[in-house]
Amino acid sequence: EAGVTQFPSHSVIEKGQTVTLRCDPISGHDNLYWYRRVMGKEIKFLLHFVKESKQDESGMPNNRFLAERTGGTYSTLKVQPAELEDSGVYFCASSPRGGGYSGANVLTFGAGSRLTVL
Amino acid sequence: AQKITQTQPGMFVQEKEAVTLDCTYDTSDQSYGLFWYKQPSSGEMIFLIYQGSYDEQNATEGRYSLNFQKARKSANLVISASQLGDSAMYFCAMRARGDYKLSFGAGTTVTVRA
Repeated sequence: EAGVTQFPSHSVIEKGQTVTLRCDPISGHDNLYWYRRVMGKEIKFLLHFVKESKQDESGMPNNRFLAERTGGTYSTLKVQPAELEDSGVYFCASSPRGGGYSGANVLTFGAGSRLTVL
Repeated sequence: AQKITQTQPGMFVQEKEAVTLDCTYDTSDQSYGLFWYKQPSSGEMIFLIYQGSYDEQNATEGRYSLNFQKARKSANLVISASQLGDSAMYFCAMRARGDYKLSFGAGTTVTVRA
């Protein structure tokens, strides 16, 4: 099966511009997650979708970040306007329905979208 | 809140030798899961191994084994018979029961030398 696909792999924008990152999860995975790794620090959770609903968005840094998952398939993460501190790698992951804590419910990650804000 | 600590930012290992990557964690949860992921230069995060906090046996997956010491709150990854393709960054992560969020350590870069 196809894995988690993220686009673009790398985006370079200027401060104040807008960027939209896209994630295509594994087909049939209800759970979709966004994570971010900034400047070599720990990978941090941003938010979690169950189908099209936001289950947990406690990790979203501020209202310049907007995530959507229309129809419960692919997801987009928009940063508007981008700031220098938004530079980093944005990971998307997906997992099957249910499970939650279960060890069988392993998150499958994409290769990430590297965002550079100048 | 959970905190994962990986104290080794980088390691070198000779091909065919074993390497141990340290991971300690801090949590007040009684039930949780521990994960290791590998990130090669391609960028994709690859799941390697899982250990449940109530599992009595240490997890093993091929050349990967997890040395789980619950009382010490450590979950070290052991890679046996290292291969050049094992060169990558390795992340330790955990998730509490009932939670979907993973908490990650800072990662350890492993370089395998021929």
